[in-house]
Amino acid sequence: NAGVMQNPRHLVRRRGQEARLRCSPMKGHSHVYWYRQLPEEGLKFMVYLQKENIIDESGMPKERFSAEFPKEGPSILRIQQVVRGDSAAYFCASSRTGQGLGYTFGSGTRLTVV
Amino acid sequence: GQQLNQSPQSMFIQEGEDVSMNCTSSSIFNTWLWYKQDPGEGPVLLIALYKAGELTSNGRLTAQFGITRKDSFLNISASIPSDVGIYFCAGHSNQAGTALIFGKGTTLSVSS
Repeated sequence: NAGVMQNPRHLVRRRGQEARLRCSPMKGHSHVYWYRQLPEEGLKFMVYLQKENIIDESGMPKERFSAEFPKEGPSILRIQQVVRGDSAAYFCASSRTGQGLGYTFGSGTRLTVV
Repeated sequence: GQQLNQSPQSMFIQEGEDVSMNCTSSSIFNTWLWYKQDPGEGPVLLIALYKAGELTSNGRLTAQFGITRKDSFLNISASIPSDVGIYFCAGHSNQAGTALIFGKGTTLSVSS
């Protein structure tokens, strides 16, 4: 009965490299949400995906960031050509129906760009 | 964009004391949520509020959805050391699509 699983827990990348963050939703959940948390800040919405579809990407930066949730496998948040300002904790949450808002968050991936 | 003002930013209390924190918004929300985050972990949902005026309890925690729909508060009674952490309010507006809007958090320290 695992919760939302995110990996890696910690990721260090040099400026210009790519970062791939993975999120496996809870069993039976087909809706995934990604949020970003900067140091000493609250979480900020990035993107909402359902299997094979992006439903709402209004919080995603226009460049370098992309997300997918394929039919099989985890959801992936991809950051190309990382910069120092991308250093943050990235959290994923999932829900079964997409209705209701008290969804469950994973433990996050802490990205450090050096 | 919509913003939440959460206060206080931090609190230092003695074990056994009651705690109160609140969030205000310049715009109306349809849902208020309160989360707790421990170091190195994701936020955990404590209480969800869906109706203006609603008062909901979860053990020693009580939260209310303000009548104006622009504010919410969270009370913790008889605090214990494991209450230590960062408490976030979050709101949702039907005009904002899917996104939850989070406050910046209240850091609670409890000394025994």
